Amino acid sequence: DIVMTQSPDSLAVSLGERATINCKSSQSLLYSSNNKNYFAWYQQKPGQPPKLLIYWASTRESGVPDRFSGSGSGTDFTLTISSLQAEDVAVYYCHQYYSLPLTFGGGTKVEIK
Amino acid sequence: QVQLVEFGGGVVQPGRSLRLSCAASGFTFSSYGMHWVRQAPGKGLEWVAVISHDGSNKEYADSVKGRFAISRDNSNNMLYLQMNSLRAEDTAVYYCAKVPYSGSYMYNFDYWGQGTLVTVSS
Repeated sequence: DIVMTQSPDSLAVSLGERATINCKSSQSLLYSSNNKNYFAWYQQKPGQPPKLLIYWASTRESGVPDRFSGSGSGTDFTLTISSLQAEDVAVYYCHQYYSLPLTFGGGTKVEIK
Repeated sequence: QVQLVEFGGGVVQPGRSLRLSCAASGFTFSSYGMHWVRQAPGKGLEWVAVISHDGSNKEYADSVKGRFAISRDNSNNMLYLQMNSLRAEDTAVYYCAKVPYSGSYMYNFDYWGQGTLVTVSS
């Protein structure tokens, strides 16, 4: 199984400041035949289902604000919120869809400092 | 618009069975692989099972293999999860989730239902 390790477990950021979440996979998620990383980020607010933010490691889902960006390749990935807004308070999960069983990171809780 | 609505959750005793349903609308259900993902109270996300668009392929997490069965009814746009021999550790919110592309099911999830809570307790 591919293990997804997120860091930090939680972080508190001031409004308007940058938030950075990291995720490391136990094996490469880069599929050589199409040069795509089978990796996504989700946001989950209390009482709600997860919401897709980023897929293919860096493609923003339609309707997601451009302050959210994804980067990385292979085994190391980053989600950046460039200017934290109050509505961004949530838990963020990374996810690999390279191989079964599909797996998720443990989550990073983002709060306002 | 795409809608996924789960139902069938509830409180069940250990060792008993429960069947979850997911009603899909707003897209051509028969063209997309579908997944079940669960989340124990206060915990992270755990993938449970997947079924191909035509029902010919099914895969399960080791934690539920042999106890859970995923199925679908494309004529009625319904996804199911039959859960047998339930254990306390199966207590979770169960979400159905859709992949964004037809054909393969090895993709991220672009839509999730609101979830249905299953509580396994005596």
